Amino acid sequence: DGGITQSPKYLFRKEGQNVTLSCEQNLNHDAMYWYRQDPGQGLRLIYYSQIVNDFQKGDIAEGYSVSREKKESFPLTVTSAQKNPTAFYLCASRETAHNSPLHFGNGTRLTVT
Amino acid sequence: AQSVTQLDSHVSVSEGTPVLLRCNYSSSYSPSLFWYVQHPNKGLQLLLKYTSAATLVKGINGFEAEFKKSETSFHLTKPSAHMSDAAEYFCVVSDQNSGYSTLTFGKGTMLLVSP
Repeated sequence: DGGITQSPKYLFRKEGQNVTLSCEQNLNHDAMYWYRQDPGQGLRLIYYSQIVNDFQKGDIAEGYSVSREKKESFPLTVTSAQKNPTAFYLCASRETAHNSPLHFGNGTRLTVT
Repeated sequence: AQSVTQLDSHVSVSEGTPVLLRCNYSSSYSPSLFWYVQHPNKGLQLLLKYTSAATLVKGINGFEAEFKKSETSFHLTKPSAHMSDAAEYFCVVSDQNSGYSTLTFGKGTMLLVSP
C-alpha cells in the first residue's frame, strides 16, 4: 500500500541535542511538508519542498532544518536553537496541483527535557 | 490572502443525533476545500474535498459538506453520530497563488460524542 511513514513514533531527547525525524513516502508525490502541532493551535507549517533539492521556509522555520536529496525522503532536523521543541510533528505529501489533498503520516511525538 | 475560520472549538452531541461542524473561508481565487479528521496521536485522514465540481460533497463514514459560495462556508454534517466519530476535525483551504499552491488550516473543532 502507498503511504507516508514517519519514524520513530515517540522520541525523547535532552535539551541541547539535535534530533532528526524521518519521513518517507512511496506515493510518487513531488511536494512534501512538515507541520508542527501543539494543543489548541492547529497545524503550523515548518518547511515544504515542491521538488527534489529545493525547499522553502514555512511560518515557523526558525530552529529547524530540512533536506530533500531524494523524491521519497524529507527528513526534519530539530536543532538546539529551537526554543520549544516538544510537540507533535506531522509529515505530509501531495501532488502539486492546488486541488490535490495532503496525505499525512502518523506523526512523531518529540519530547525534549 | 486566504483564511479559514472554524466557528466552534468544541462541539458536543449525543450518539445518534446530527453533527454540524462549521467552517467559513476567504479566498482571492477559486478555492479547493477539504475536511480532515484526526484521532488522538494519529495523522490527519481526508474525509472529503471540494474542487469546483458538485457543491454537495459526500465523504467517508457518512459525512458530507456543502460548498456555499455566497456564504463563503463549507460546513461538515453527518445525520447520525457514532461514538467512533469523536475526534478533532480540520477545515483546509487551498488556492492557486502566484503560480504555486498554498494551504491554510483552521484551528480545529473537537467533536465529543456521548452515549
